[in-house]
Amino acid sequence: DIQMTQSPSVLSASVGDRVTLNCKASQNINKYLNWYQQKLGEAPKLLIYNTNNLQTGIPSRFSGSGSGTDYTLTISSLQPEDVATYFCFQHNSWPYTFGAGTKLELK
Amino acid sequence: EVLLQQSGAELVRPGSSVKISCKASGYTFTDYYMHWVKQRPEQGLVWIGRINPANGNTVYAEKFKSKATLTADKSSNTAYMQLSSLTSEDTATYFCTRSRYFDFWGPGTMVTVSS
Repeated sequence: DIQMTQSPSVLSASVGDRVTLNCKASQNINKYLNWYQQKLGEAPKLLIYNTNNLQTGIPSRFSGSGSGTDYTLTISSLQPEDVATYFCFQHNSWPYTFGAGTKLELK
Repeated sequence: EVLLQQSGAELVRPGSSVKISCKASGYTFTDYYMHWVKQRPEQGLVWIGRINPANGNTVYAEKFKSKATLTADKSSNTAYMQLSSLTSEDTATYFCTRSRYFDFWGPGTMVTVSS
């Protein structure tokens, strides 16, 4: 199985900060990498698919990049409503696997 | 509007089975695979498997091959997941989600296994 390692596990930042979340795959996943945001008590929400494609309706402050085994989600200017846990997910090969998540908090 | 409506919370006994449902609307049910995802309290997400509603073909993660059974009813646009031989490890929220992009999600069904 492909292991997905996210870092950091917890990130504290201030409103307006540029925030970077990392995700590393145990092998090449050919950019088949999605990012999800999950708020407490809710289902996850798709933010980015296939590394760098912004899902419809998602604010443009979210962006994704990466290739091979290393991927990044960037929030250009953190907003209070961005407090959540963020998961990366690979759909390159079965079984599809998620990272353990990065919990984003306000400082 | 795409909606995935899931059945309500379940309290079940150890050793029993449970079948939860996911009713799709707002799109052509047979055009997209339906996936199922498990989330234990305060933990991450685990992919269980997926079904092609058009023909019933399924793929499971290895650890769920003897635990979960996925089916789909084209006549009612509903996907189902049956979980068998339940233990405390199966206490979790289970989500259905559409396509390999997981672009739409149901609200989740909480299953509690307790005597």
